[in-house]
Amino acid sequence: GAVVSQHPSRVICKSGTSVKIECRSLDFQATTMFWYRQFPKQSLMLMATSNEGSKATYEQGVEKDKFLINHASLTLSTLTVTSAHPEDSSFYICSARDLQRGSSYNEQFFGPGTRLTVL
Amino acid sequence: QKEVEQNSGPLSVPEGAIASLNCTYSDRVSQSFFWYRQYSGKSPELIMSIYSNGDKEDGRFTAQLNKASQYVSLLIRDSQPSDSATYLCAVNGNSGGYQKVTFGTGTKLQVIP
Repeated sequence: GAVVSQHPSRVICKSGTSVKIECRSLDFQATTMFWYRQFPKQSLMLMATSNEGSKATYEQGVEKDKFLINHASLTLSTLTVTSAHPEDSSFYICSARDLQRGSSYNEQFFGPGTRLTVL
Repeated sequence: QKEVEQNSGPLSVPEGAIASLNCTYSDRVSQSFFWYRQYSGKSPELIMSIYSNGDKEDGRFTAQLNKASQYVSLLIRDSQPSDSATYLCAVNGNSGGYQKVTFGTGTKLQVIP
């Protein structure tokens, strides 16, 4: 149980284009999903918390108009990197919390990540 | 002071030895504590959760929690080269009125054959 998928696993795009990344919880429902970014040899950086049916909560310094998050159902959240630039090249990872487990546990299960390269 | 602190390492241990990974946290009211393993180029994988003081064992892994000292550790017995990875400590706390998990920067473990 507690499987999270991400698609695509790898994407290369030209500067100025937009890229959409999907995060799905496959065998559980997740009211909350999280989006992280990780640069090489650096730690995870939380970008935003995605709440089903409401607006995402962005961390300080993360541009909400550049990183659009949609959490339309209990099993799907999407992150769209708009007008991507080379400095947006990074490893983007989503995670999800199992609704059944309850908020006090807060275990997060990670997707396999999406490696974005902007040329 | 960082909310969750870990020694970045690398921590090198010979194969078969016990690896001891440590983590301290600043939020006294934290309730949930997690250890994740992250191989290079991969996403983190949850390996242990602990919620109450004391030890919790799962196979070769033992998590230890001491809330009074705000300290959580992970012991890996009979370390194997396949255990070589970065281990992330994560702590659930309350930030701005909502639950939030904060990750440490990770400790890189190298198990030498």
